[in-house]
Amino acid sequence: GENVEQHPSTLSVQEGDSAVIKCTYSDSASNYFPWYKQELGKRPQLIIDIRSNVGEKKDQRIAVTLNKTAKHFSLHITETQPEDSAVYFCAAFPHLWADKLIFGTGTRLQVFP
Amino acid sequence: DTEVTQTPKHLVMGMTNKKSLKCEQHMGHRAMYWYKQKAKKPPELMFVYSYEKLSINESVPSRFSPECPNSSLLNLHLHALQPEDSALYLCASSQVRGSSTEAFFGQGTRLTVV
Repeated sequence: GENVEQHPSTLSVQEGDSAVIKCTYSDSASNYFPWYKQELGKRPQLIIDIRSNVGEKKDQRIAVTLNKTAKHFSLHITETQPEDSAVYFCAAFPHLWADKLIFGTGTRLQVFP
Repeated sequence: DTEVTQTPKHLVMGMTNKKSLKCEQHMGHRAMYWYKQKAKKPPELMFVYSYEKLSINESVPSRFSPECPNSSLLNLHLHALQPEDSALYLCASSQVRGSSTEAFFGQGTRLTVV
């Protein structure tokens, strides 16, 4: 089955710096890759997603890149703010016909003022 | 309405109790999910319902029994749980594969088994 690896597990940055989180997946049939942000005690919330027919997508300070050949995708957060502090999960849908979201192991991002 | 509503928010139950978790969405989504999340871990898929039929069971112990009474409701019946089953149980929904596959999560039920 699909396996999603995520690095780093923790990331500390100074406010205003950039943060990059990387994920790799194993199933070449996966074609949808969302990123979720989960604040302490709250639900995971989608912050950005990308489909396999696109190489990059940007939404204000957040961008995601996808390399299908290498089977990896990355989240980029620029001009980080303390409210960006949370756990970030990447995910992949492993099959075209199944509705099954597989999560990476998570990255705890801390942004220090 | 982009809400997935879960009840209760907190639940404490003994190992001999029977309880149920409830999930409701009115977005017309035809795929609904149960996830289990332990502290500092990612959500772990338990069950997937597609068009009210169980499509995926990730080898979950039979003490967890899912039910999908209609396209808007999803239940998780709990019986004879163990302390290690204590976790945050998340419900989610999404459109069955099509133009959008974003999964919306409920706020979760924090379950404690004593």
